[in-house]
Amino acid sequence: AQSVTQLDSQVPVFEEAPVELRCNYSSSVSVYLFWYVQYPNQGLQLLLKYLSGSTLVKGINGFEAEFNKSQTSFHLRKPSVHISDTAEYFCAVSVGGYQKVTFGTGTKLQVIP
Amino acid sequence: DAGVIQSPRHEVTEMGQEVTLRCKPISGHNSLFWYRQTMMRGLELLIYFNNNVPIDDSGMPEDRFSAKMPNASFSTLKIQPSEPRDSAVYFCASTFQDRAGNTIYFGEGSWLTVV
Repeated sequence: AQSVTQLDSQVPVFEEAPVELRCNYSSSVSVYLFWYVQYPNQGLQLLLKYLSGSTLVKGINGFEAEFNKSQTSFHLRKPSVHISDTAEYFCAVSVGGYQKVTFGTGTKLQVIP
Repeated sequence: DAGVIQSPRHEVTEMGQEVTLRCKPISGHNSLFWYRQTMMRGLELLIYFNNNVPIDDSGMPEDRFSAKMPNASFSTLKIQPSEPRDSAVYFCASTFQDRAGNTIYFGEGSWLTVV
């Protein structure tokens, strides 16, 4: 069975500082990995995803993530955060041809002015 | 383009009442998901439809919950009878499944409070 672990429930960071949100997954087969963002009182929307190819994936709003198979990680990074990045971020995994996507518990990013 | 549309956006109901949440997926999508989000349990997949057929309902918490998809453009999630512990945000989401890894598009959620 696939699973996703987001170790940090909350990450406070000052505006314009870099940030890394951690995600580790477990699966015995090849996976597809996603980061979704949820702004207050809204649904989730896709930030970026890894399907195959280059392990460095760039997404919207200046975010990027790196797939590391040996460490089973898919950490999300941004070199300089903005107040508008304050939101909850979810890592997710799906396996094979099945569309069942398993979400992590989420990390709340709080950007401090 | 219209996204996933959910109704109602907010509902407050009394324990024991029937609750029906509605969802219109994005036109052309053939897979639909119902998720529940709470502080305690995070985001849980309740049920997944493909081509209007329920594929995986292992996340449906108990018999009080039921979901239907009578056609490609409409789905309902029903709770009968409702209980306070059902209070949560319920999200509907859809995608076009031609292969794994397609983006799932979420609605804005139905905020349910059972008192």
